[in-house]
Amino acid sequence: GDSVTQMEGPVTLSEEAFLTINCTYTATGYPSLFWYVQYPGEGLQLLLKATKADDKGSNKGFEATYRKETTSFHLEKGSVQVSDSAVYFCALRNSGYALNFGKGTSLLVTP
Amino acid sequence: DAGVTQSPTHLIKTRGQQVTLRCSPKSGHDTVSWYQQALGQGPQFIFQYYEEEERQRGNFPDRFSGHQFPNYSSELNVNALLLGDSALYLCASSLAFDRGEVTGELFFGEGSRLTVL
Repeated sequence: GDSVTQMEGPVTLSEEAFLTINCTYTATGYPSLFWYVQYPGEGLQLLLKATKADDKGSNKGFEATYRKETTSFHLEKGSVQVSDSAVYFCALRNSGYALNFGKGTSLLVTP
Repeated sequence: DAGVTQSPTHLIKTRGQQVTLRCSPKSGHDTVSWYQQALGQGPQFIFQYYEEEERQRGNFPDRFSGHQFPNYSSELNVNALLLGDSALYLCASSLAFDRGEVTGELFFGEGSRLTVL
């Protein structure tokens, strides 16, 4: 079945460091890919998405490119801020309506 | 504009009991999905409701059931609670059809944390 694997956390970075959170997926067909973020005390919210191969999703300085050849959708940001501290979830949607999530990666950014 | 609201926020039950969780979708949304998030895990899809019917179901036993009301709000019911049902239960709302897409962006509530003793 479909599945998402993302790097284990927690990830700790200093402010202004470069961020990469790896995400790979297993799925038949052509899934849509998503990154969701959960800030402390808040619900999950969509950060960015890509619906076909080579699409790049971007939002709030974060980017991820849908790479079908490597079945990956890695999240990147050039310069993280303390306010980016959160849990990040990679997810896919294939046929149907359900989102299939990874386990999440906790990010802590220190001043 | 109120987002997705869930109640209760926390509750404690004992094995064998039944629980009902409630969800009010974001204004204008017509579809409600429920997810279970165990500690340290990603959310797992339970089911989705649209037009008061279950549109898709994940790999959960029949002890998990739901309902959607004409005002689009929803309930999740779990019978015969097991210790393993302890989790954060997330409700997400969306539009069934959004700007040409089959299903729109999900907006999540903060969840109901269920502890089964």
